[in-house]
Amino acid sequence: SSVLTQPPSLSVAPGKTARITCGGNNIGSRSVHWYHQKSGQAPVLVIFYDTDRPSGIPERFSGSKSGNTATLTISRVEAGDEADYYCQVWDKTSDHWVFGGGTKLTVL
Amino acid sequence: QGQLVESGGGVVQPGRSLRLSCAASEFTLSTYGIHWVRQAPGKGLEWVSVISYDGSNRYYADSVKGRFTISRDNSKHTVYLQMTSLRREDTAVYYCARVQRMTAYFEHWGRGTLVTVSS
Repeated sequence: SSVLTQPPSLSVAPGKTARITCGGNNIGSRSVHWYHQKSGQAPVLVIFYDTDRPSGIPERFSGSKSGNTATLTISRVEAGDEADYYCQVWDKTSDHWVFGGGTKLTVL
Repeated sequence: QGQLVESGGGVVQPGRSLRLSCAASEFTLSTYGIHWVRQAPGKGLEWVSVISYDGSNRYYADSVKGRFTISRDNSKHTVYLQMTSLRREDTAVYYCARVQRMTAYFEHWGRGTLVTVSS
C-alpha cells in the first residue's frame, strides 16, 4: 500500500510562509487531503482534493501538487497555526486509506 | 454541520473485547460513509476501518483485519466498532469521521474515545 512521507517538524517565524510537503509513489494520480490537529483536539480538514479549501478555513491555507509531492502552504503564519499537519490519500489498489506521518509546525 | 460522538472506550485487558459507538446528531447518518481512525499516544493518525452509507461495503486495515468488525444501525443513527482479541498496541484514541463517499475526504470528525489495553 501507499506510504506518504512528511518532514517530522517545521519551524517558522510569525508572518512568514510555511510549506509542508507530502511525498509518495503515484501521489500525482491521487487526490491529496490535508488536516490539522491542535493539541488535545480532533483533526480538522483544511484542504481537500489537492487544492480546495473548506468554508471557514482562511485563504492563507493553500494546496498544490507537482510530480510525486503535494504541498500545503500557509502564508503569513500566525501563532494559532501551530499544530500537527497530516496529508492523506485513498489507495485504490488496496482499498486502504493512508495518512502521512505528520508534521509538527512550530511558530517561533 | 452536525455532531459525531464516540463512546465505549475504557481500560480493557489484553485478549478481551470492547465495542465502540459513534452516534450522529443533527444530520442524516444514513447518507454518509463512516471511518474509524485511531491515534496511539504521541503518535500519528492511523486509518482503521470504513463502512459505506448502507453497510454494503466494509474495509479494514491489515493491523485489525479479522479482529475488528464495523457495523451500523441507521435507525439508531449509530456506527459500531466491535474490537476483539485486543492487544497492547491497540491502545489509542479512536475517532469516527464521516465522508460523503467512501473514497472522499474526512469532512467531519468526532472528539474521540480512549481505549487502553493493559493488564
